[in-house]
Amino acid sequence: GQQVMQIPQYQHVQEGEDFTTYCNSSTTLSNIQWYKQRPGGHPVFLIQLVKSGEVKKQKRLTFQFGEAKKNSSLHITATQTTDVGTYFCGATNKLIFGTGTLLAVQP
Amino acid sequence: SQTIHQWPATLVQPVGSPLSLECTVEGTSNPNLYWYRQAAGRGLQLLFYSVGIGQISSEVPQNLSASRPQDRQFILSSKKLLLSDSGFYLCAWSEAVYGYTFGSGTRLTVV
Repeated sequence: GQQVMQIPQYQHVQEGEDFTTYCNSSTTLSNIQWYKQRPGGHPVFLIQLVKSGEVKKQKRLTFQFGEAKKNSSLHITATQTTDVGTYFCGATNKLIFGTGTLLAVQP
Repeated sequence: SQTIHQWPATLVQPVGSPLSLECTVEGTSNPNLYWYRQAAGRGLQLLFYSVGIGQISSEVPQNLSASRPQDRQFILSSKKLLLSDSGFYLCAWSEAVYGYTFGSGTRLTVV
């Protein structure tokens, strides 16, 4: 069935370093969404990408949807301790979420 | 504005006991509603979703059931809990443009 793989599962960075997480689907997606879940909290919607090759930015976060609409990435520039949490992609037309990437930021 | 309420926040239940988790949404009508489970350190597993009153789709065969008795109410139940039912249960509703909005979740520990 439909699967959305997300890598890496875990990333530890020094504060100020960049971070990227990737989502890959076995089939074409109509859209992809990104969520952030703080430790002990619930996932919070960040953004939705719909168009092939779409790039969106939110301050230090850059989201990209692949040309074939099968992959997506989230890049954080100059991480801060407030970026700590698990980042999920979601192929919500299929009601499927990626396995998540846990980001740890060392001050 | 739309809000989603989920309770209780934490729950410790013995094996074999029943379960009832409730989720309600305010500020919208006929929402799509979902129940997800998240095991410790894992991703989100879709359990049930509903597109309307009395309409429930089950994604994973298991010890749980769901009901939607009212438009904005979604209930997750079990007649007899298993140890493997422990986890973080999240209710969510969706709107096409703004993505899923999750409730604050229920941490269930079956002992």
